[in-house]
Amino acid sequence: GQSLEQPSEVTAVEGAIVQINCTYQTSGFYGLSWYQQHDGGAPTFLSYNALDGLEETGRFSSFLSRSDSYGYLLLQELQMKDSASYFCAVGASSGNTGKLIFGQGTTLQVKP
Amino acid sequence: DGGITQSPKYLFRKEGQNVTLSCEQNLNHDAMYWYRQDPGQGLRLIYYSQIVNDFQKGDIAEGYSVSREKKESFPLTVTSAQKNPTAFYLCASSVGIGETQYFGPGTRLLVL
Repeated sequence: GQSLEQPSEVTAVEGAIVQINCTYQTSGFYGLSWYQQHDGGAPTFLSYNALDGLEETGRFSSFLSRSDSYGYLLLQELQMKDSASYFCAVGASSGNTGKLIFGQGTTLQVKP
Repeated sequence: DGGITQSPKYLFRKEGQNVTLSCEQNLNHDAMYWYRQDPGQGLRLIYYSQIVNDFQKGDIAEGYSVSREKKESFPLTVTSAQKNPTAFYLCASSVGIGETQYFGPGTRLLVL
């Protein structure tokens, strides 16, 4: 089957660094995405990795290792507004079509 | 501004009633998607469409129906066959299937 695993909850303090891991098991993998969702809001796109390595976008970075079926989202200089749920999503094939498969989400709580 | 709109923001359904959720995008994206999100859970795919006049069932299509008569529009009907429709419904679109998805603001459906 196809599945993604990420921690359900992470807590960190303001100004710290936090890493949210994501492991996946899919067929026809073609990219790992990360989305942020604030309570009651819609998911917003954060980053995308198609190849191995680190992608940096401001305070957020995302890493992918295809050989390990593993990726992570790194959030630096945490701010209170970063408190949200973070979803990893994998582009995977199903039959002759492709779609995104989402993880269950990690709730990040940033404390003062 | 380009984006995805969903209406209404809140929708109430009576027992035995069909209701239709609207989703419109002006991003010129070919692919569109409908997800259901229950409290504290991830996103589950209901239906998706790669191109006009074509759509595929997702993981939880039972009790739902869609149409894709125009590129810009992908309405979702929650039928009376859906016995537990209370959820947050999210529409998304992407340039192509499996690529980065951009979400609308969502519709909360409640059963009276």
